[in-house]
Amino acid sequence: GAVVSQHPSWVICKSGTSVKIECRSLDFQATTMFWYRQFPKQSLMLMATSNEGSKATYEQGVEKDKFLINHASLTLSTLTVTSAHPEDSSFYICRASGGGTSGRREQYFGPGTRLTVT
Amino acid sequence: TQLLEQSPQFLSIQEGENLTVYCNSSSVFSSLQWYRQEPGEGPVLLVTVVTGGEVKKLKRLTFQFGDARKDSSLHITAAQPGDTGLYLCARPEGWGGGNKLTFGTGTQLKVEL
Repeated sequence: GAVVSQHPSWVICKSGTSVKIECRSLDFQATTMFWYRQFPKQSLMLMATSNEGSKATYEQGVEKDKFLINHASLTLSTLTVTSAHPEDSSFYICRASGGGTSGRREQYFGPGTRLTVT
Repeated sequence: TQLLEQSPQFLSIQEGENLTVYCNSSSVFSSLQWYRQEPGEGPVLLVTVVTGGEVKKLKRLTFQFGDARKDSSLHITAAQPGDTGLYLCARPEGWGGGNKLTFGTGTQLKVEL
């Protein structure tokens, strides 16, 4: 089946710097990408939804200028955390959605990226 | 966004015990999914329920969708340490497998020897 990978799986950065997280789909055309954030011992919170080639739609309370999402191709979406601060430390997970070989829409979660801002 | 409340929030039990996790909402679901997530990994889909009153079994896990499609439960029989993880219910918006997904508040389960 299709696989969704994230890179890096774990990153530490200094406060004020920017970090880019990649989400790639293999053997699967991700027409829609969802980005989630998860704090320790908590559930997943949707940050934004992006359709390939279009601007992302952000959930209420998520700063679009701080969390830049690019979805320029059907196999790659990126989330850039700009001017990161310690409160941005979290687990970031992508979820790829698109048409599968069965003709139905399928979805696959990435393995997540642990971001720690010092 | 309609809130999905899960209970209990945390659960620590001994191996061999049974447990039930609940997922409740004030609104009707078109369908509902259950996931399990282990630390440092993405959530893994366990089941999707669609019909009110539906019961699905996955080995020692039994999932039930409420008759009114506003609630669901997950029952685990004879829990094992491998069942440890974060259990999440989720509501897809619309039909199909790729629409917006709203997650419940989560139940952290720990099964000890």
